[in-house]
Amino acid sequence: DGGITQSPKYLFRKEGQNVTLSCEQNLNHDAMYWYRQDPGQGLRLIYYSQIVNDFQKGDIAEGYSVSREKKESFPLTVTSAQKNPTAFYLCASRSLAGTGELFFGEGSRLTVL
Amino acid sequence: SQQGEEDPQALSIQEGENATMNCSYKTSINNLQWYRQNSGRGLVHLILIRSNEREKHSGRLRVTLDTSKKSSSLLITASRAADTASYFCATDSYSNSGYALNFGKGTSLLVTP
Repeated sequence: DGGITQSPKYLFRKEGQNVTLSCEQNLNHDAMYWYRQDPGQGLRLIYYSQIVNDFQKGDIAEGYSVSREKKESFPLTVTSAQKNPTAFYLCASRSLAGTGELFFGEGSRLTVL
Repeated sequence: SQQGEEDPQALSIQEGENATMNCSYKTSINNLQWYRQNSGRGLVHLILIRSNEREKHSGRLRVTLDTSKKSSSLLITASRAADTASYFCATDSYSNSGYALNFGKGTSLLVTP
């Protein structure tokens, strides 16, 4: 089935540790996005990429890093520099030649202990 | 930055009633989209309205767009308990780095039987 797969769904991390969230899509979409969702804050854009080996910072990129070595994959690393990493992370993708709608994964919930 | 701001933040209605949610934004847009999110899940695209359109329908959904007021509304007619979810508007606009969607904080809709 075509879609976006995020893993893991739940992740616990100790303070000071880096953690990488996986996002894979088999929709042949050009663009991929990472959003962070906190209660009452809606979705905030962390990073996005419109082409392999290129990506742009969103509104809250500090403490995060990404890579786009393959069209299908856009992993997000939450580094120890991120001061408040506990949140729900959502990955999305879309075709730049399409209607513009985003397709979302089911999310990864990160809890820092 | 979060462009869209939904109103109200929360809405509680009974089955069969109509639900109206509003969205205001700040800068010019390419299109505006509405998404739905069930608790703890990813977002699902509902409807897209382009900047040169004023109204659009899809099943029980009706979206309006007023670019002069920089506002949009989503109407769900004859609501059902299964419509209980959070609803987000997202503005699609061009920045120096390309197109990215900016989401509002959402409206939480509760439909009671």
